[in-house]
Amino acid sequence: GAGVSQSPSNKVTEKGKDVELRCDPISGHTALYWYRQSLGQGLEFLIYFQGNSAPDKSGLPSDRFSAERTGGSVSTLTIQRTQQEDSAVYLCASSRRSSGSNGEQFFGPGTRLTVL
Amino acid sequence: DQQVKQNSPSLSVQEGRISILNCDYTNSMFDYFLWYKKYPAEGPTFLISISSIKDKNEDGRFTVFLNKSAKHLSLHIVPSQPGDSAVYFCAASVRGAQKLVFGQGTRLTINP
Repeated sequence: GAGVSQSPSNKVTEKGKDVELRCDPISGHTALYWYRQSLGQGLEFLIYFQGNSAPDKSGLPSDRFSAERTGGSVSTLTIQRTQQEDSAVYLCASSRRSSGSNGEQFFGPGTRLTVL
Repeated sequence: DQQVKQNSPSLSVQEGRISILNCDYTNSMFDYFLWYKKYPAEGPTFLISISSIKDKNEDGRFTVFLNKSAKHLSLHIVPSQPGDSAVYFCAASVRGAQKLVFGQGTRLTINP
């Protein structure tokens, strides 16, 4: 079946501009996560959505970052007034939340964001 | 504060030999641990996991060992194959918290 898809695959923007990154999770997965990977670093948690519950935004680095998930499916991560330190690969993941959930998350290919 | 650490940024192993990747953690609340494998330009893919109630989990060529007293886990790959060349990430979670905390990754190169 189809995996997690993300668009665009690459995004180059100028400092100060806003960007939107999109994630389509695996059909039927109720949990959706955003992470980012800066150069030479591990994946850093940003935000987590689970069904209709309030999202866990504890990983968002600043108020320039926001995300929404419409209809329990597609998610958009928005970065306002981008800065050069926002340059990273932004990864989306989804998982099937069940009583037997083991934490396995399925990742998309990522969006490489470059802020000039 | 790096709660999950992979202190070896790279590892080179000869084909057919054993690859051992190491991971240390500091948060004693972690109760589930996972290894992910990542090829260039792709997202990480799940490899193997272990619950804190176990000390070993095996899946084919891959075995994960957990030493809770040392807050250390390791991934063994034997025999190593060229297709195993990738970046390996260790991750940990607190059950119920859902989010994963990742290490920095170790780039494994298998030499023919």
